[in-house]
Amino acid sequence: SAVISQKPSRDICQRGTSLTIQCQVDSQVTMMFWYRQQPGQSLTLIATANQGSEATYESGFVIDKFPISRPNLTFSTLTVSNMSPEDSSIYLCSVEKAGEYNEQFFGPGTRLTVL
Amino acid sequence: QKEVEQDPGPLSVPEGAIVSLNCTYSNSAFQYFMWYRQYSRKGPELLMYTYSSGNKEDGRFTAQVDKSSKYISLFIRDSQPSDSATYLCAMRKTSYDKVIFGPGTSLSVIP
Repeated sequence: SAVISQKPSRDICQRGTSLTIQCQVDSQVTMMFWYRQQPGQSLTLIATANQGSEATYESGFVIDKFPISRPNLTFSTLTVSNMSPEDSSIYLCSVEKAGEYNEQFFGPGTRLTVL
Repeated sequence: QKEVEQDPGPLSVPEGAIVSLNCTYSNSAFQYFMWYRQYSRKGPELLMYTYSSGNKEDGRFTAQVDKSSKYISLFIRDSQPSDSATYLCAMRKTSYDKVIFGPGTSLSVIP
């Protein structure tokens, strides 16, 4: 498995501001992902964080709103920009461990509330 | 039709009961199937990972895949209060493809 930490664990922010979420994993991984989990809904993939290059975004998510950095193989950040109440959600970092199944493991999540 | 569907529950059972959690899916290309457990205010934790059809057992947990019916199940034997959580099924076409998650089933095991 992998030990993944996220900071902050929760935050309450004002409309129009930005929040950067950090994700740290205890070993080098090739693949890192950012998900959003809204109450009662499935996990939705926001983007794949690529080391040394621009992130790959899923349909409906754009770099201007969710800029992502991946400076090395153990760390990534997700910024939620110009926030609105609709951005209130849990944001989860995930990593994939290379192997037969390429299993994905998740961090504890960041609970964001936008007022 | 959503790609992956689960009964959201909540499902409430007495301690010691056998629990059956189920998912249906629409894309016959899915070959890799996973179950995650998510406690309140925690991230999802990988429980079981299976490939193609058949059963896989791990302690009190058994994962079952029926690709002909596009139906997967997770059975929990001798359920414990510590099993109270939301259970998410997930699947992907290849081991490199995007993982698609179900919305989760909330389970409560009553002492």
